[in-house]
Amino acid sequence: GAGVSQSPRYKVAKRGQDVALRCDPISGHVSLFWYQQALGQGPEFLTYFQNEAQLDKSGLPSDRFFAERPEGSVSTLKIQRTQQEDSAVYLCASSLDMGRDQPQHFGDGTRLSIL
Amino acid sequence: DAKTTQPPSMDCAEGRAANLPCNHSTISGNEYVYWYRQIHSQGPQYIIHGLKNNETNEMASLIITEDRKSSTLILPHATLRDTAVYYCIVKIRGYQKVTFGTGTKLQVIP
Repeated sequence: GAGVSQSPRYKVAKRGQDVALRCDPISGHVSLFWYQQALGQGPEFLTYFQNEAQLDKSGLPSDRFFAERPEGSVSTLKIQRTQQEDSAVYLCASSLDMGRDQPQHFGDGTRLSIL
Repeated sequence: DAKTTQPPSMDCAEGRAANLPCNHSTISGNEYVYWYRQIHSQGPQYIIHGLKNNETNEMASLIITEDRKSSTLILPHATLRDTAVYYCIVKIRGYQKVTFGTGTKLQVIP
């Protein structure tokens, strides 16, 4: 079946521009996560949704970062007034059911480069 | 979440078993051990997880010591496609947030 799909695969933006990154989770998955991965580092948690509710946004680095999942399926991560330090791979993951410790299934990420 | 310690890199000959260690000496009773791997330019891939018993699936085996302070991921017959960064993660049961470290870079050598 289809896995987690992220688009675009690559995004280049100029410093100061706004960007929007899309995540299509596996159908029926309740939980959705966003991670940021810098070069040579492991993924770092940004935020977590259960259905449409954003239950944890403790990892968002600044108020320029905003995530939404309005209908409990597709999610968008928006970065306003991008800075060079925002350059990274942004990964999305989904899992089936919060309470039963289901593993997270990851997309292949969006590589964001800020010039 | 408890902290994990992994060697930064390991080599393994193709066809041999790859044994990847992980220390999690501060693990508590309600924390699972998870393993993921990340092949270059791809997202992390779930491999296996366990609480206290050893586990096996089609990809790998997970051996957890009796005191739960360490574990070993075993790839029984490593292939070149197993070259990846392997992450050992400890996660509180029922809690969603996952903390990745820097993992072990496994190089499978022909």
